[in-house]
Amino acid sequence: AQSVTQLGSHVSVSEGALVLLRCNYSSSVPPYLFWYVQYPNQGLQLLLKYTSAATLVKGINGFEAEFKKSETSFHLTKPSAHMSDAAEYFCAVSESTGRRALTFGSGTRLQVQP
Amino acid sequence: EAGVAQSPRYKIIEKRQSVAFWCNPISGHATLYWYQQILGQGPKLLIQFQNNGVVDDSQLPKDRFSAERLKGVDSTLKIQPAKLEDSAVYLCASSPGSSRGYTFGSGTRLTVV
Repeated sequence: AQSVTQLGSHVSVSEGALVLLRCNYSSSVPPYLFWYVQYPNQGLQLLLKYTSAATLVKGINGFEAEFKKSETSFHLTKPSAHMSDAAEYFCAVSESTGRRALTFGSGTRLQVQP
Repeated sequence: EAGVAQSPRYKIIEKRQSVAFWCNPISGHATLYWYQQILGQGPKLLIQFQNNGVVDDSQLPKDRFSAERLKGVDSTLKIQPAKLEDSAVYLCASSPGSSRGYTFGSGTRLTVV
């Protein structure tokens, strides 16, 4: 069984400030981990993924995340927020073997204040 | 590469009516998923197909929901009869397998009144 917990359903930052979105996971097998972004009335767009290679993963739009096995975490960061980053962000986990279906967290809505 | 196509984009029905959603995955993707996303929540897996066989439908409310994947390509998801709590966005995704990537469609927003 696998699960994802995203701490903070809403995060507000000022433009230019650091973005930190938290994700902790639980998995009985080595996981693959993903961050997706969802803009209003749109589907899910992949930001980045960890599939057991480098623990620091760089994604699109300046985002990155670090896989920390000891903390079972995969937090998403961006050094400087932009207004266009305002969206809903979802962390997801899949098994590295077997069914591989994604299990999503409940999401974090990021607001960027001017 | 064409993306995952879903239709209709929006649908409004009355409770107890039936509705069907259609998904055309990326060509060559063996695995197809249907997710339900209720407002304010993360997507929840309803059913997973590998080619035209069902891998996991443990979270599909089988008394009212059904899904099929004809010839291992297109898929339809049906709800009959619909309830108010079925109001959600229904997302289709496909994958070539081995977690190499999942591509999501834009979804169908269902409103049950």
